Amino acid sequence: ETGVTQSPTHLIKTRGQQVTLRCSSQSGHNTVSWYQQALGQGPQFIFQYYREEENGRGNFPPRFSGLQFPNYSSELNVNALELDDSALYLCASSLAGVTEAFFGQGTRLTVV
Amino acid sequence: LAKTTQPISMDSYEGQEVNITCSHNNIATNDYITWYQQFPSQGPRFIIQGYKTKVTNEVASLFIPADRKSSTLSLPRVSLSDTAVYYCLVGDPSMYSGGGADGLTFGKGTHLIIQP
Repeated sequence: ETGVTQSPTHLIKTRGQQVTLRCSSQSGHNTVSWYQQALGQGPQFIFQYYREEENGRGNFPPRFSGLQFPNYSSELNVNALELDDSALYLCASSLAGVTEAFFGQGTRLTVV
Repeated sequence: LAKTTQPISMDSYEGQEVNITCSHNNIATNDYITWYQQFPSQGPRFIIQGYKTKVTNEVASLFIPADRKSSTLSLPRVSLSDTAVYYCLVGDPSMYSGGGADGLTFGKGTHLIIQP
């Protein structure tokens, strides 16, 4: 157990809808990152939040957005869902400048 | 970020030592080598990290030659529960979070299958 919890574990949405995924970071960690993992692929970096500000983003469109709260928990929001958004979404918490990231078990999103 | 190349899959048997090699020819001076393990439907788990020579922990050893253009993850006496995907990552830890935020760059990893 890493101490990083994500909810929900599974979710089915219709194309065009919006979705919010949630993550509780490990205690004491001030950085949270989100990753998308398609079937058979490695996780792809979406973005990262540090002290409630987005400070890094991968190659994902603006319809992927997020928030980090004062208690370092986080949300990932995806608007106008597309079929290709079907994936495992992973949240990882860490301390600034440290490579060891602690991942949650992920949210399996299916877009139909 | 330095690109890595590792075998797509490997097979071994219980009780054997398994070595997974990763190539990273354009590794930069400030880059570290990090390995993660991932089981199906779970998030990746940090295994080990090193900069040069040899690093050992309770789970694995990491061997890095002097030129740092490759590295080898060694898993001693594997069991069926070591069946997983293993990812080799190379990058500057100071860029992962806080001041710089490149995120962790995962490739497709190595699918390790342990048989009885």
